[in-house]
Amino acid sequence: GAGVSQSPRYKVAKRGQDVALRCDPISGHVSLFWYQQALGQGPEFLTYFQNEAQLDKSGLPSDRFFAERPEGSVSTLKIQRTQQEDSAVYLCATTRDRGTDTQYFGPGTRLTVL
Amino acid sequence: EDQVTQSPEALRLQEGESSSLNCSYTVSGLRGLFWYRQDPGKGPEFLFTLYSAGEEKEKERLKATLTKKESFLHITAPKPEDSATYLCAVQAANNFNKFYFGSGTKLNVKP
Repeated sequence: GAGVSQSPRYKVAKRGQDVALRCDPISGHVSLFWYQQALGQGPEFLTYFQNEAQLDKSGLPSDRFFAERPEGSVSTLKIQRTQQEDSAVYLCATTRDRGTDTQYFGPGTRLTVL
Repeated sequence: EDQVTQSPEALRLQEGESSSLNCSYTVSGLRGLFWYRQDPGKGPEFLFTLYSAGEEKEKERLKATLTKKESFLHITAPKPEDSATYLCAVQAANNFNKFYFGSGTKLNVKP
């Protein structure tokens, strides 16, 4: 595709529900990152994939957060038993190659947990 | 601990009034420093990468500079369409996979 796309753009969940957020990267991009951006803050690293391998998940805030990229393309970030503190914008970014610096971001998914 | 601090948090300028945004950082070996622009409801958009002290890059009314401790984003004769949040991020030399972002400077340019 022409750019990184994310769906849904907006998600409202009741506390305790599970949610799944999708990222469609630019075709052929090897590296994929997930970030969490709270209101008025910069993006915070969650996890990193190189192709289908999840090489760094040190930023995931709890074991309720899980990410996968099974075929090295589309990625899904899953949050189980959502809490109010999970409310944020979740951004996906991709780079063409490993070690390439220019990150291309998607528009984000705004998650609101009631 | 790797850290990025941006100042000011918010900046209001009149159209044509030049100014600078600051990004100070501490990182265990800098591989790259990045500037992004973020409009409301959108993801960050890449502007510049700087790799070494003394390096400068320009794009239209924007110019980014880098020292060993900080980076500046200079905005010359800004226009209302330059209004956005400007984010700075650093990439450590010992971990290419992580980018540490500052909280951003929200710029508002009045006509």
